Amino acid sequence: GNSVTQMEGPVTLSEEAFLTINCTYTATGYPSLFWYVQYPGEGLQLLLKATKADDKGSNKGFEATYRKETTSFHLEKGSVQVSDSAVYFCALSGPGGSYIPTFGRGTSLIVHP
Amino acid sequence: EAGVTQFPSHSVIEKGQTVTLRCDPISGHDNLYWYRRVMGKEIKFLLHFVKESKQDESGMPNNRFLAERTGGTYSTLKVQPAELEDSGVYFCASSRGQGGTYEQYFGPGTRLTVT
Repeated sequence: GNSVTQMEGPVTLSEEAFLTINCTYTATGYPSLFWYVQYPGEGLQLLLKATKADDKGSNKGFEATYRKETTSFHLEKGSVQVSDSAVYFCALSGPGGSYIPTFGRGTSLIVHP
Repeated sequence: EAGVTQFPSHSVIEKGQTVTLRCDPISGHDNLYWYRRVMGKEIKFLLHFVKESKQDESGMPNNRFLAERTGGTYSTLKVQPAELEDSGVYFCASSRGQGGTYEQYFGPGTRLTVT
């Protein structure tokens, strides 16, 4: 079945540092890939997505590229801010019409001033 | 528009007791989903309503869990009797339609602690 593996946290960075959160997946066919973010006290929000190989999703300075050859969808940001502190979830849905996302375990990011 | 709301935000109960969680979806969203995240693990799908009907309940762990959505508006998830392994964060989400083109909007979750 489908599965998502993402790096364990917490990831602790200083403000303006470069961020990478690794995510790899297992799925048959070509799923859609997502990153969700949960800020403290709030619900999950869709951060970005990519629906086919080599697509790059981007939002709020975050980027992730759908790499079919390495089955990866790593999240990156060039310069993190304290306000980026949150839990980040990698997820996939489909293929074959399955619309229920399969999530990873989440990675907590803590950014210090 | 108001987002998905969940009540309570946190519940602490003893093993064997009953707890009812409530979810109010975004107005006009026919699709409502329940998910659960056990401490430090993946967010797992529990079930999906379309209006008042259960479209998919394949993720419900056992018959101690009962979900309802009378009238196709808000939904409740009852756990009776609660066990220690039921502790976790229960998320609700809603969407206007189903399928990959419709984004699911999540609530803040209810943190359930069973002691």
